[in-house]
Amino acid sequence: ETGVTQTPRHLVMGMTNKKSLKCEQHLGHNAMYWYKQSAKKPLELMFVYNFKEQTENNSVPSRFSPECPNSSHLFLHLHTLQPEDSALYLCASSQDWDNGNQPQHFGDGTRLSIL
Amino acid sequence: AQRVTQPEKLLSVFKGAPVELKCNYSYSGSPELFWYVQYSRQRLQLLLRHISRESIKGFTADLNKGETSFHLKKPFAQEEDSAMYYCALNAGNMLTFGGGTRLMVKP
Repeated sequence: ETGVTQTPRHLVMGMTNKKSLKCEQHLGHNAMYWYKQSAKKPLELMFVYNFKEQTENNSVPSRFSPECPNSSHLFLHLHTLQPEDSALYLCASSQDWDNGNQPQHFGDGTRLSIL
Repeated sequence: AQRVTQPEKLLSVFKGAPVELKCNYSYSGSPELFWYVQYSRQRLQLLLRHISRESIKGFTADLNKGETSFHLKKPFAQEEDSAMYYCALNAGNMLTFGGGTRLMVKP
């Protein structure tokens, strides 16, 4: 599949579990992003990586830990989450982070439910 | 801090009617604005950006710096335009999204 691929599509976990979300892009982009989309709230930027380096952390709690091993892959490691963390987590990529006019390409998201 | 406001959560129009989805922003710098769209069972995707000054699928949006607005317009709505529309502001290389407006075009 081309574009931005996220796995898994759905994830149910307990508050004490550890899990990871995966994002992969085959667009040759250098920047990758994690967003959180909760019910009744706007899409919120969580993290930005540019050329594998984290450039933004939008005051995200430490129970969310991103990892970017290369420009094509982005992970979001989850640990000791809270019920309010249940949301749709979207990954996106763009050609470069520092050119704000370039569009972001989104994945389908991972629907996360915390029990 | 930057902010994007879409005052209407739901907009319902009949096919063939004009449609305008409102977007207002607050940002002290020079704004870069986008409209993203999410059709049913599809992923979020770019619809248009103000810098391109283009018409996509019959939609246009004009940046009005005086009114700090970037409203999305289409003169004749089609049923396939039914979707969630998000206005977004790029400020300091971070995208800030509005809450979204669901457009329903009735036959």
